[in-house]
Amino acid sequence: KAGVTQTPRYLIKTRGQQVTLSCSPISGHRSVSWYQQTPGQGLQFLFEYFSETQRNKGNFPGRFSGRQFSNSRSEMNVSTLELGDSALYLCASSLGGLRYGYTFGSGTRLTVV
Amino acid sequence: GQQLNQSPQSMFIQEGEDVSMNCTSSSIFNTWLWYKQDPGEGPVLLIALYKAGELTSNGRLTAQFGITRKDSFLNISASIPSDVGIYFCAGQMDSNYQLIWGAGTKLIIKP
Repeated sequence: KAGVTQTPRYLIKTRGQQVTLSCSPISGHRSVSWYQQTPGQGLQFLFEYFSETQRNKGNFPGRFSGRQFSNSRSEMNVSTLELGDSALYLCASSLGGLRYGYTFGSGTRLTVV
Repeated sequence: GQQLNQSPQSMFIQEGEDVSMNCTSSSIFNTWLWYKQDPGEGPVLLIALYKAGELTSNGRLTAQFGITRKDSFLNISASIPSDVGIYFCAGQMDSNYQLIWGAGTKLIIKP
């Protein structure tokens, strides 16, 4: 079966712009989580959506937002980009949560210049 | 954000050597996960641990859930070139749903 698909793979944006990243989960998976990964910092949790509802949220500013559609696809939006937002953004899908296991996509590499 | 203390940060080893890494926390966890990330890819789940004292193997990999519930260990026996990558631990606390991640251990095999 198809894995988790994230688009685009690479993105270059200018400071102050906004960006939208997309994640298509594995078919049948209803949970989608988003993470920010920077070198040496591991993965920082952004938020999780389950059946179109945000179920949990990490400690990121309000410039980071997300949503999930009825087909479980999810988007993440970052407004007013800052240089420090440059990172690999990873999406993970799951049937319903931790005990079902998370499958990660290959990520979107965002560079803010 | 909150992180687990994962060590070592990096390891240089010879092919065939055994590898050990660990994660510790000041808080109690009810689940520990170990992931491996290859360059340009997302992390892939290696082993999941759900009970204190649990010892689980996946081929040459063995992980343990510490009995204090504040630590976990991953061992790789007889390392091979394809073991290179970054290994992450992740845990879930009793009182918090989200996963907390370690900063990773980068495994490098010396030629």
